[in-house]
Amino acid sequence: GAVVSQHPSRVICKSGTSVKIECRSLDFQATTMFWYRQFPKKSLMLMATSNEGSKATYEQGVEKDKFLINHASLTLSTLTVTSAHPEDSSFYICSARLLGTDTQYFGPGTRLTVL
Amino acid sequence: AQSVTQLGSHVSVSEGALVLLRCNYSSSVPPYLFWYVQYPNQGLQLLLKYTSAATLVKGINGFEAEFKKSETSFHLTKPSAHMSDAAEYFCAVIWGKLSFGAGTTVTVRA
Repeated sequence: GAVVSQHPSRVICKSGTSVKIECRSLDFQATTMFWYRQFPKKSLMLMATSNEGSKATYEQGVEKDKFLINHASLTLSTLTVTSAHPEDSSFYICSARLLGTDTQYFGPGTRLTVL
Repeated sequence: AQSVTQLGSHVSVSEGALVLLRCNYSSSVPPYLFWYVQYPNQGLQLLLKYTSAATLVKGINGFEAEFKKSETSFHLTKPSAHMSDAAEYFCAVIWGKLSFGAGTTVTVRA
């Protein structure tokens, strides 16, 4: 149980385009999901907390207009990287918190490469 | 400031040897603690978690961790390393939000 999926697993796009990444909790409902960014050989950096039915909470230094988050249902959150640039290239990982616990279950990640 | 520290960014062990990964946290209140494993180009998999029920926590893949309040530590161990244990390991703590250590890369020598 507690499986989280991400789609796509890998995406390459041109500079200036927008990319949408989906995060789904497959066998449980998650009122709260999280989006992280991971640079090579580095730890995870929390970008934002996504709450079902409300606006996401962004961490300091993360541009909310650039990284649009939507959490329209209890099993789906999306991250859209708008007007992507090469510096946005990274590994993006989502997680979903099991309702009633503090445990987060992570998706497999999405490798974004912006040319 | 509250933080979680993993001592040693890289650990190399022989197959069959003990694996010991160190994690210390700074807090006056025992938090929830986790160990996650990340294989190359994959997300994080939960190995085990401490939630104050027992100080010795057993996880998946033969790993276990012991919470020591007096030492503010939550070290991860596995008695006998396997080649498949080669991965990145993250210690994490809940202080409102999940905070990760810098990670420890484990390599296993045949």
